[in-house]
Amino acid sequence: KNEVEQSPQNLTAQEGEFITINCSYSVGISALHWLQQHPGGGIVSLFMLSSGKKKHGRLIATINIQEKHSSLHITASHPRDSAVYICAVRNSGNTPLVFGKGTRLSVIA
Amino acid sequence: EAEVAQSPRYKITEKSQAVAFWCDPISGHATLYWYRQILGQGPELLVQFQDESVVDDSQLPKDRFSAERLKGVDSTLKIQPAELGDSAMYLCASSFDQGWAEAFFGQGTRLTVV
Repeated sequence: KNEVEQSPQNLTAQEGEFITINCSYSVGISALHWLQQHPGGGIVSLFMLSSGKKKHGRLIATINIQEKHSSLHITASHPRDSAVYICAVRNSGNTPLVFGKGTRLSVIA
Repeated sequence: EAEVAQSPRYKITEKSQAVAFWCDPISGHATLYWYRQILGQGPELLVQFQDESVVDDSQLPKDRFSAERLKGVDSTLKIQPAELGDSAMYLCASSFDQGWAEAFFGQGTRLTVV
């Protein structure tokens, strides 16, 4: 079973700061997801990666397959970015997602 | 925009009572997942359906939990009898198929067992 570790567990930042959340996993994967969960509980998919880098607005996700590591970056952070960010991996095409414990981000104005 | 619908959003029940959650996936999505998320933890898979068939229920506590997706569309997750340790967020997700497709999540049902 893949072990997914995220760091940090909790992160507090000032508005405008550049934020990095890290995810590492133990076994080779077919895809990695970054998800955002707001206090109400609903989860939104931010990115699905299998290689390289993706960008959407102020969010950037990168993955290094050889190092089994991915990062989620938030540029010019804003209080509305406050949420739990979860990394999840899929070992192969038909296997279920394995989730990290999440990183709780608070952005203070 | 299409979304995964779950109800109820919140449920408080006494231990030993029965409780049921409902999920309606995005139209056309063959794969449906039920996850349980304990406070401070990541979601853990309870059961995965492909159409009306169970693909993976290895983590489902079958002595008290049951799940069905009779017509391959909406799904119900039931707990009977509920225990204090079942208090958690129950998330439903769906995807077009089992493979590379992205999964879309519902808002979840937050269960509190008292």
